[in-house]
Amino acid sequence: GENVEQHPSTLSVQEGDSAVIKCTYSDSASNYFPWYKQELGKGPQLIIDIRSNVGEKKDQRIAVTLNKTAKHFSLHITETQPEDSAVYFCAASRNSGGYQKVTFGTGTKLQVIP
Amino acid sequence: NAGVTQTPKFRILKIGQSMTLQCAQDMNHNYMYWYRQDPGMGLKLIYYSVGAGITDKGEVPNGYNVSRSTTEDFPLRLELAAPSQTSVYFCASSYSTVTGSGNTIYFGEGSWLTVV
Repeated sequence: GENVEQHPSTLSVQEGDSAVIKCTYSDSASNYFPWYKQELGKGPQLIIDIRSNVGEKKDQRIAVTLNKTAKHFSLHITETQPEDSAVYFCAASRNSGGYQKVTFGTGTKLQVIP
Repeated sequence: NAGVTQTPKFRILKIGQSMTLQCAQDMNHNYMYWYRQDPGMGLKLIYYSVGAGITDKGEVPNGYNVSRSTTEDFPLRLELAAPSQTSVYFCASSYSTVTGSGNTIYFGEGSWLTVV
């Protein structure tokens, strides 16, 4: 089955600096890669996603890159702010017999220091 | 539009007790899911449903049961609670097609369950 590895598990950055979270996946049939942000006491919420036919996608201060050959994808947050502090999950998704099979990474706890 | 609503938010169970976590969505999504989240382990799929009357096991189904009598509701039943079931449970939903992949999954706020 699919295996998604996520690094680092914790990340501290100074406000205004950039943060990068990296994930690798094993199943070459995965074709959709969402990123979720989970604030304390809340459920995960989608912040950005990328499909396998795209190499990069940006949305204001966040961007995702995908290297299908290497099976790597990354989340980049620029000009970090204290409200970016949360746990971030990457995921890899594929269609499996009519069911959207999603495998999540183990999460990265991001702390932005004011 | 409330999204995905799950109750209760917190619950303490004694070993051997049973309980049901309720989940409802008002987005007319056909797919619904139950995940558990343990520290440092990410989200693991317990059960999922592709539509009313259809359910299937995920990665970690043992000790749980589900039903999907309506599009809106997807309760999770814990029978004979064990300490290993202490976790945070998330209900989620998405709109998916048979050939589709890559549809946003919407999560509820979570239910914190402790078995003592």
